[in-house]
Amino acid sequence: DAGVIQSPRHEVTEMGQEVTLRCKPISGHDYLFWYRQTMMRGLELLIYFNNNVPIDDSGMPEDRFSAKMPNASFSTLKIQPSEPRDSAVYFCASSRGGNTDTQYFGPGTRLTVL
Amino acid sequence: SQQGEEDPQALSIQEGENATMNCSYKTSINNLQWYRQNSGRGLVHLILIRSNEREKHSGRLRVTLDTSKKSSSLLITASRAADTASYFCATDTGGYNKLIFGAGTRLAVHP
Repeated sequence: DAGVIQSPRHEVTEMGQEVTLRCKPISGHDYLFWYRQTMMRGLELLIYFNNNVPIDDSGMPEDRFSAKMPNASFSTLKIQPSEPRDSAVYFCASSRGGNTDTQYFGPGTRLTVL
Repeated sequence: SQQGEEDPQALSIQEGENATMNCSYKTSINNLQWYRQNSGRGLVHLILIRSNEREKHSGRLRVTLDTSKKSSSLLITASRAADTASYFCATDTGGYNKLIFGAGTRLAVHP
């Protein structure tokens, strides 16, 4: 298996622009997680899905952030409009089960908002 | 808020030495996991220890869990330069299917 795939790997955009991050989880994994990592705040869980349904989005910073999972093999995290404080590395992870299972992380998308 | 907190924040050792990292958490857990992150990469799972286990081994890794003290330690024996990375503990939230990660320990192993 190719592992969790994320695109793009790097994104540089200007404040106010819309940003869409993409993730393909490992086939057969029922859980998908979106994380954000910064030096100041560490690794934060933004939202997670179970069988394509959003279960907990309490970590989503504000309404500018939205996530979807239209099918079992694809998810998007969208920021509209983007702000400089959104600059971070965004990781997608998937797991077969819930909290007792290993999470497999993608390589991340490094987002820079100017 | 973070469930797990690692210490030290940074650790610098020579190749061949052992490295010990600690993790403390606040609420009851079902399991605790350790992950490694190489610079510029995603996290990689190392080991999982369940709440009814006290010690677990995997190769050069040894993890202990003390639920009475709400703490865990990760020991890397005979460290190598390739072990240079950040190490994170992650705890479940006792019934919810998500992990909470600590701030991590940055380990530097010098040849």
